[in-house]
Amino acid sequence: NAGVTQTPKFQVLKTGQSMTLQCAQDMNHEYMSWYRQDPGMGLRLIHYSVGAGITDQGEVPNGYNVSRSTTEDFPLRLLSAAPSQTSVYFCASSPPPPTDTQYFGPGTRLTVL
Amino acid sequence: DQQVKQNSPSLSVQEGRISILNCDYTNSMFDYFLWYKKYPAEGPTFLISISSIKDKNEDGRFTVFLNKSAKHLSLHIVPSQPGDSAVYFCAASVYPGTALIFGKGTTLSVSS
Repeated sequence: NAGVTQTPKFQVLKTGQSMTLQCAQDMNHEYMSWYRQDPGMGLRLIHYSVGAGITDQGEVPNGYNVSRSTTEDFPLRLLSAAPSQTSVYFCASSPPPPTDTQYFGPGTRLTVL
Repeated sequence: DQQVKQNSPSLSVQEGRISILNCDYTNSMFDYFLWYKKYPAEGPTFLISISSIKDKNEDGRFTVFLNKSAKHLSLHIVPSQPGDSAVYFCAASVYPGTALIFGKGTTLSVSS
């Protein structure tokens, strides 16, 4: 199993550009989540999904869109990038309850100029 | 308002001694608590977890204690090893496996 994979590893955008961060998992996990980590901060939840077709907002959802058309993929879309979205983005997946563990990808480092 | 707090940004311990990392939470709806370890430029790695029906969980050198009345949990690492040097995050959730709320992390340095 490759586990949770994220692409790209690094990305530089200009303000106003759009892009999609990709996340895929091959463990057939129902639950997937997106987090961002800023310097001196913990990870903050952006959006999450408990299954295909089901998504919900986390702590910091503004400026981000998600959709979940398949179990394997959970892309994160930035429609109009802002410098405040400069961060490291982590995707995570987990099996359904009673498992409480989330497995994280390696992250995407995004810089918005 | 932070729902999960790790009030010690850093901790230094000698090899072989005990490391104790602390975490406080404010949301009484949290039922699942996890500790993650993170190295630079990598994703967080799951370490150990505990649910609110227990007050202790052990896995090798790692033990997590939960005090629900005080809304406090701690991670004990015994004995500490230089390879344990990393950032440790405490996280909590209402439902298992999703929507984790993280603390800001504690950087543990273990010297030989």
